[in-house]
Amino acid sequence: SQELEQSPQSLIVQEGKNLTINCTSSKTLYGLYWYKQKYGEGLIFLMMLQKGGEEKSHEKITAKLDEKKQQSSLHITASQPSHAGIYLCGADTRGGSEKLVFGKGTKLTVNP
Amino acid sequence: KAGVTQTPRYLIKTRGQQVTLSCSPISGHRSVSWYQQTPGQGLQFLFEYFSETQRNKGNFPGRFSGRQFSNSRSEMNVSTLELGDSALYLCASSLVSAGGEQYFGPGTRLTVT
Repeated sequence: SQELEQSPQSLIVQEGKNLTINCTSSKTLYGLYWYKQKYGEGLIFLMMLQKGGEEKSHEKITAKLDEKKQQSSLHITASQPSHAGIYLCGADTRGGSEKLVFGKGTKLTVNP
Repeated sequence: KAGVTQTPRYLIKTRGQQVTLSCSPISGHRSVSWYQQTPGQGLQFLFEYFSETQRNKGNFPGRFSGRQFSNSRSEMNVSTLELGDSALYLCASSLVSAGGEQYFGPGTRLTVT
C-alpha cells in the first residue's frame, strides 16, 4: 500500500481561487517535503517541514505539518496559471530501505 | 551554481538491451539519489550513493545498478531492458543526506520498445 496518500489526485480551479492539497501518512513523518513538477521534467523543491505544528510560507504557498506529524497540507492563495503543475509530497518515514517515499502527486490546473 | 544535469535527456532502446544513464550533481553535493517515475507507480526510490558507496536501496531487481565516482558524478545501469522499464529516471543531489533538501535534475526519458 502507498505510504503517502495525496488528495485530491487532480484539481481544476479558476484563477484567483484558493486551494488545498493534502498529504497523509500512516507513519510518523520525520521530514516532509513538497515539490512541484512540470510535466516530464524534474522536481522543484518548495518547502521542508520537520516539526509538529510547523508552518512555512513562500510567496502565495503555505505548507503545514500537523502536531502528530502524520499529515501535511499545501495551501495556495489566489492561484495563478503559473501555479499549474504536479505537486508531490515526499517524506522520510524511516520505515524501510527507501530514504524518501513520495505520494503519487496532485495535478493542478489553473484556468485563466 | 549549475544545477543537476542528466544525460541523455531522451533514449529509445529495445527489449533485452542495456542502458547507462548519467547524472552530475550540484558542485559540492556528495549524495546522489536515483528515482524511477511512471504514471502507474509514481516516483519510486532506486538507490542512493554517498562518497562512492551505495547507502540505501529501493525494491528494484538486480538489473538496476549504479555507481558513483570520486567527483560525485553517478551512473545508473539497467540491463536486459523490459517494456516496463519505460519511465522518467530522475536523479537528485543533496549536500549530505538524501533525507534533506534534494535538488532534482530534468530527468532522462527512457522508452523501451
